[in-house]
Amino acid sequence: QKEVEQNSGPLSVPEGAIASLNCTYSDRVSQSFFWYRQYSGKSPELIMSIYSNGDKEDGRFTAQLNKASQYVSLLIRDSQPSDSATYLCAGRGGGTSYGKLTFGQGTILTVHP
Amino acid sequence: DTGVSQDPRHKITKRGQNVTFRCDPISEHNRLYWYRQTLGQGPEFLTYFQNEAQLEKSRLLSDRFSAERPKGSFSTLEIQRTEQGDSAMYLCASIPTRGLPNTEAFFGQGTRLTVV
Repeated sequence: QKEVEQNSGPLSVPEGAIASLNCTYSDRVSQSFFWYRQYSGKSPELIMSIYSNGDKEDGRFTAQLNKASQYVSLLIRDSQPSDSATYLCAGRGGGTSYGKLTFGQGTILTVHP
Repeated sequence: DTGVSQDPRHKITKRGQNVTFRCDPISEHNRLYWYRQTLGQGPEFLTYFQNEAQLEKSRLLSDRFSAERPKGSFSTLEIQRTEQGDSAMYLCASIPTRGLPNTEAFFGQGTRLTVV
């Protein structure tokens, strides 16, 4: 099992819909989690971080963490064409692993008008 | 600009040549990370430094790769005898040593390497 897995393939949603992105993780990267957005040819840009069980909301974005199921998700409400990008889920351990990110393979999101 | 800076942004090289990339982290950040990202994949960890000490290297980092951070400030990543499989985006990130679980790592804009 990979340490961080994003299983959903390319996702296409209409403008204004909710986009749901999912990620599972292993014990080694279980301290905190980060969702990054990456436009083609650019570096990752942090959208949200979460490390406590439950939901965390920031504007149109909600991150959800379920430690029992080792599952983290990102919901994007009122999706806009400008949200079209690759979304990367990353986990981070603690202790000596603090700071080291383990990324999933990414999910390509397309929001069509 | 006080963010993480990488140079060059793009590099095209012939197979077999050596290349060197530079990363200037945020000045007060002790930890510096190098990642490699190939097309369609997420970034993969290569190595990291705490100040000038290189504390971990991935198995992805073959003998042709070497990284330094001589004075605990900027870092260089050198690839010797480049191969076409080295073509990727090389990303640098920095973070303070001590922080909260959600302390953000700051990424540079990356160096896109193309080996022809």
